[in-house]
Amino acid sequence: GAVVSQHPSWVICKSGTSVKIECRSLDFQATTMFWYRQFPKQSLMLMATSNEGSKATYEQGVEKDKFLINHASLTLSTLTVTSAHPEDSSFYICSAGKPAAYEQYFGPGTRLTVT
Amino acid sequence: AQSVSQHNHHVILSEAASLELGCNYSYGGTVNLFWYVQYPGQHLQLLLKYFSGDPLVKGIKGFEAEFIKSKFSFNLRKPSVQWSDTAEYFCAVNALGGNTPLVFGKGTRLSVIA
Repeated sequence: GAVVSQHPSWVICKSGTSVKIECRSLDFQATTMFWYRQFPKQSLMLMATSNEGSKATYEQGVEKDKFLINHASLTLSTLTVTSAHPEDSSFYICSAGKPAAYEQYFGPGTRLTVT
Repeated sequence: AQSVSQHNHHVILSEAASLELGCNYSYGGTVNLFWYVQYPGQHLQLLLKYFSGDPLVKGIKGFEAEFIKSKFSFNLRKPSVQWSDTAEYFCAVNALGGNTPLVFGKGTRLSVIA
């Protein structure tokens, strides 16, 4: 199989604080992981591509200093939302693919609520 | 840049009715095509995928999709829907070559009524 986990599944934080979300590929190594954001009743929008051992590639309009991505190992990528604000409240989803494979496997998502 | 259009925002069907959800994509090269389903409160699940070969792809739960290259389309079908098919359906594409990000359509909400 190919399982991707995310932790936490749900987090509430106060405005101005930082939150770290982990994405792990449990039974395969992923040189590349992707971070998406899904607002209520909307589609998934790519935020960034996370590459193991190198800097992430951010999509236009995504603040790289606000959404810090670290892909320190072949099975773990983290997304840190710094100085979170209520407008950052969303569903954050990661995906990972096996090397040279076409299919991606999605994590269950993390619901972030900023109060 | 890639884009995906899903024409139906919300579809309401009675149980046992047939389903077809439209998906068109725009991309200059060869793509991989996917349909995902998201049940209320749950995460994305892959319904089916097309990489190459037979353009008629069968997926899980009785779903199928047909890739028509000339129309840049990948419509999802099911001959007889059930109440449990009520969910959000997303069409997605990525560039051939592997490990490229997915571009999603806006999604189609399917409501199946008894």
